[in-house]
Amino acid sequence: AQSVTQPDIHITVSEGASLELRCNYSYGATPYLFWYVQSPGQGLQLLLKYFSGDTLVQGIKGFEAEFKRSQSSFNLRKPSVHWSDAAEYFCAGGSQGNLIFGKGTKLSVKP
Amino acid sequence: GAVVSQHPSWVICKSGTSVKIECRSLDFQATTMFWYRQFPKQSLMLMATSNEGSKATYEQGVEKDKFLINHASLTLSTLTVTSAHPEDSSFYICSARSQGAGKFTEAFFGQGTRLTVV
Repeated sequence: AQSVTQPDIHITVSEGASLELRCNYSYGATPYLFWYVQSPGQGLQLLLKYFSGDTLVQGIKGFEAEFKRSQSSFNLRKPSVHWSDAAEYFCAGGSQGNLIFGKGTKLSVKP
Repeated sequence: GAVVSQHPSWVICKSGTSVKIECRSLDFQATTMFWYRQFPKQSLMLMATSNEGSKATYEQGVEKDKFLINHASLTLSTLTVTSAHPEDSSFYICSARSQGAGKFTEAFFGQGTRLTVV
């Protein structure tokens, strides 16, 4: 069955430190992969997406993600975290438009 | 990116009443809209997929008679929670997608609707 897994429920990093949020997928074929961010009580904002081509994808707010087929991963990274990055992050994948979401990773940023 | 507007942002209703949530694509035609439900501190679960002019396709376990979905135009889909009960309290999010022939196009999300049934 198709699935998207985010192994980390909650991560805390210091402001200015680097960040990596993990995402693993299980699909028969290469899926379309997305990272979304959700602030409390808000909808989802797309950070970046991977459809095909270059496996390193640049997104908004300084985020990037790398698609690694051999590891079935699509980890989100940011070299220097800002306090405003504190939010819930969802990895999602889909092949026909309807998305399967991971359970999310809550990011806390400490001063 | 394209804009999807969801209304209302939050609603409180009495148990037994019905609530309608609207999802509008403001600057594109949405051939397909998706409705998701998000329980507190959990991920989004797809409830149903609706294509303009046809009946919605519901995911397993979602009561179609309770969650009525209408997608009468290319810019509007509505979700009506009928005879709402406290367990229906949740965060409902829609997304809308336009699709070129044979090409996947990303979906854009509304801001969500917080439903509280008392």
